[in-house]
Amino acid sequence: DQQVKQNSPSLSVQEGRISILNCDYTNSMFDYFLWYKKYPAEGPTFLISISSIKDKNEDGRFTVFLNKSAKHLSLHIVPSQPGDSAVYFCAASASGNQFYFGTGTSLTVIP
Amino acid sequence: KAGVTQTPRYLIKTRGQQVTLSCSPISGHRSVSWYQQTPGQGLQFLFEYFSETQRNKGNFPGRFSGRQFSNSRSEMNVSTLELGDSALYLCASSYDRTDTQYFGPGTRLTVL
Repeated sequence: DQQVKQNSPSLSVQEGRISILNCDYTNSMFDYFLWYKKYPAEGPTFLISISSIKDKNEDGRFTVFLNKSAKHLSLHIVPSQPGDSAVYFCAASASGNQFYFGTGTSLTVIP
Repeated sequence: KAGVTQTPRYLIKTRGQQVTLSCSPISGHRSVSWYQQTPGQGLQFLFEYFSETQRNKGNFPGRFSGRQFSNSRSEMNVSTLELGDSALYLCASSYDRTDTQYFGPGTRLTVL
């Protein structure tokens, strides 16, 4: 049972525009969420996190939004750059237990 | 500070064999988690070790096992390999379970 879902396997965005990656979860006990970026032949790299007590966290060009009532998480990248082209995974955990990962969204930023 | 290292990076085995993968966490990190990544399945949690004890286990058969040593280095073993075990195996370390996990580059296992 996939508790964390990324329903868009791929996304293409023009350079300079906004990239929006979405993530849905089913477990209302999840209280900590992360986004990872993964390049081919490398392990995932931590990008940004948010706890359930907040609804937004910002770090430079990256902003994560959390809508607890909708059990929905999104990552906004503004402006998108070609180097952002990678696979993005969202992950969630409940009370410090194991992390559940989504299946990933492959982002392509077109120059 | 050195990152998480995994050895070997690539491995080719045949069905029925067993394999051992190694992970060295970031210095000072005591929690090591293992994940299996296959196309379309994302990262599936295998198990987590903390101070040489398995604290959590995912939904994988008993052929998958692991251990952690006193220096926090961890090994993962898969016995009686099946074709479906072909995957990228990722190791992640953190100070504790609740902290951000830092991943190694993974071991690409191919079972023929």
